[in-house]
This record gives sequence, C-alpha cells and structure tokens, in this order.
Amino acid sequence: NAGVMQNPRHLVRRRGQEARLRCSPMKGHSHVYWYRQLPEEGLKFMVYLQKENIIDESGMPKERFSAEFPKEGPSILRIQQVVRGDSAAYFCASSPMGEGLNSGNTIYFGEGSWLTVV
Amino acid sequence: EDQVTQSPEALRLQEGESSSLNCSYTVSGLRGLFWYRQDPGKGPEFLFTLYSAGEEKEKERLKATLTKKESFLHITAPKPEDSATYLCAVQTYTDSWGKLQFGAGTQVVVTP
Repeated sequence: NAGVMQNPRHLVRRRGQEARLRCSPMKGHSHVYWYRQLPEEGLKFMVYLQKENIIDESGMPKERFSAEFPKEGPSILRIQQVVRGDSAAYFCASSPMGEGLNSGNTIYFGEGSWLTVV
Repeated sequence: EDQVTQSPEALRLQEGESSSLNCSYTVSGLRGLFWYRQDPGKGPEFLFTLYSAGEEKEKERLKATLTKKESFLHITAPKPEDSATYLCAVQTYTDSWGKLQFGAGTQVVVTP
C-alpha cells in the first residue's frame, strides 16, 4: 500500500531558476494538499487541489508559485525564479474525500521535498 | 484569529517516565484536531483525529484526549523509539478540508 510519493526528495537550485516538485497521492485518493515548512517554523498550508481544479489557494504566495493536478499524472508545485527564502521542506498530503468526518478520511503526508536555493 | 499553541517546546524523558504534551487552541468552530508524529527529515505520520470534547483515542503507548480548549497527548512508559516531534493541528468548519493549522510542535527525546 504505497503512501504519498514525492520527488525529488532533495533539490538544489540557483537563484532565478525554476523548481518543480511532484506528488502522487495515495491510491484511491483524489484530493491533494501542499504544505511548506520553513526552517524553524511550523507547517503552513499552501493549496488544495482536486483533479484539474484548484479548490483553495489561500496559502499560496501571490507571485512565482503555482500548482496543478492534471487529469493524468502527479500534482506539480512550481516555483519560478526561486529566491533564498524559498528554501524549505515542501510536503504533499492526500485524502480520499474532500469532506466528511468519516474516520477513513484521514490526511496522509508524504516524506517531503527539500528545496535548497543557493 | 485562530491560534494553536503547543507546550512544552521540548521534553526530555527517561525511558519509562510517563508524561503529557499539551495543545491549546482558540478557533472558531473546531471540526477536528489532529496529532502527527514527525521524525527528522521525514514527513508527518498520522496518529489520531479527535472530533468532540470528551473523546479519547489510544495507540500503543500514546493516548490523546480532547476538551473544548485543549488536547493532551499522553505518553505512557515511553521508549527511545518514541523520540520525535509531535505536532498538533486543527481544522475548522470555515476552512476547506485538508487546510490544517499546525502548532510549532513538541520535540520529545527519550533516553535509555
């Protein structure tokens, strides 16, 4: 039973380059969430996606960041023109449903992608 | 403004020395309170979800409880493998599902 898969696990980018982080949700899960953990800070929600739809992007920085979850393939978090302040761990999470207090509707996290901007 | 505060920030225990972690919250309309465990360099590992005051859940040496203002994670007779950062998160009815507000975590070290 594969969990939430993220790649790459570690990524180094120079300032001004683009970073693409990929996430495949758990089997049977159609809801994906991205979180960011900055050094010495807690986990912060960024965006919630379903297939081909952005449901909630209230935590996304206004510029340079975008996310998608296409009909086929993994979810992608894209950071354009990276700056040193983007260095962080980016976690993807997934759940089987978007609503409900069903005990099976737990939110599971992946192992994270560590982005370092030099 | 919604707030989630965990205490203590760090906790050092001897093996077998039971203790409790606290997560206090001030939110409008709590839908669920989540506990996760995070090891260094890894993602959060789900432990429990609590939905209503008075609810309790157990898993091995861990027991989570919930009141209207706070949640406790009790660690009974901990072992070194229980060393980790324990994260508390809340979800409200006004937030989209999956939008969790995390506390800063409690770093637990259990020594043999």
